[in-house]
Amino acid sequence: DAGITQSPRHKVTETGTPVTLRCHQTENHRYMYWYRQDPGHGLRLIHYSYGVKDTDKGEVSDGYSVSRSKTEDFLLTLESATSSQTSVYFCAISEQPPDIRPDEQYFGPGTRLTVT
Amino acid sequence: RKEVEQDPGPFNVPEGATVAFNCTYSNSASQSFFWYRQDCRKEPKLLMSVYSSGNEDGRFTAQLNRASQYISLLIRDSKLSDSATYLCVVPRQGSYIPTFGRGTSLIVHP
Repeated sequence: DAGITQSPRHKVTETGTPVTLRCHQTENHRYMYWYRQDPGHGLRLIHYSYGVKDTDKGEVSDGYSVSRSKTEDFLLTLESATSSQTSVYFCAISEQPPDIRPDEQYFGPGTRLTVT
Repeated sequence: RKEVEQDPGPFNVPEGATVAFNCTYSNSASQSFFWYRQDCRKEPKLLMSVYSSGNEDGRFTAQLNRASQYISLLIRDSKLSDSATYLCVVPRQGSYIPTFGRGTSLIVHP
């Protein structure tokens, strides 16, 4: 299995509080992604990174920010959590650039976030 | 047409059965496709890649129909352990960032 960890694995927080989720990889892959998965919607891309300090928005980026100061870490921040952000969050990594040749993505174990 | 569409199922089949799922896509320029498997409360894991007409791996066969813009996944001799959700993944229109389908649920019963 690819070396990807996510922390925390479970979190319950209150509306309006900031939350940061961490994704850590040991594969030295350049590309990292944050998805959320909700019933009826499947996996949706929030943000992705194509290198240290290089990030871009996905399809559901509103209310989320990301940072990547090191190759191995990709942080997802909810500045002010809302109940609509209750979801399962998956981090993924890939070696190949998605705009040249889509390659398989390896996923972390996920973080279950509940916003009350 | 949505970018990627899958029948959510569930498909309920007995052990030993052959079952097939389809996934339709809207981006006619897509060159590669993927099937992922996701067990309950687990992360998705790559099952098969499809870069041309199809791919076969043991009991699993993935086929591509470019004219009708769909890919299929065929599972022969179903096992209880095949019970999972199968996600179809296609590059996004205008980009190669993958788009995930909502998944098809398979339940294999004794």
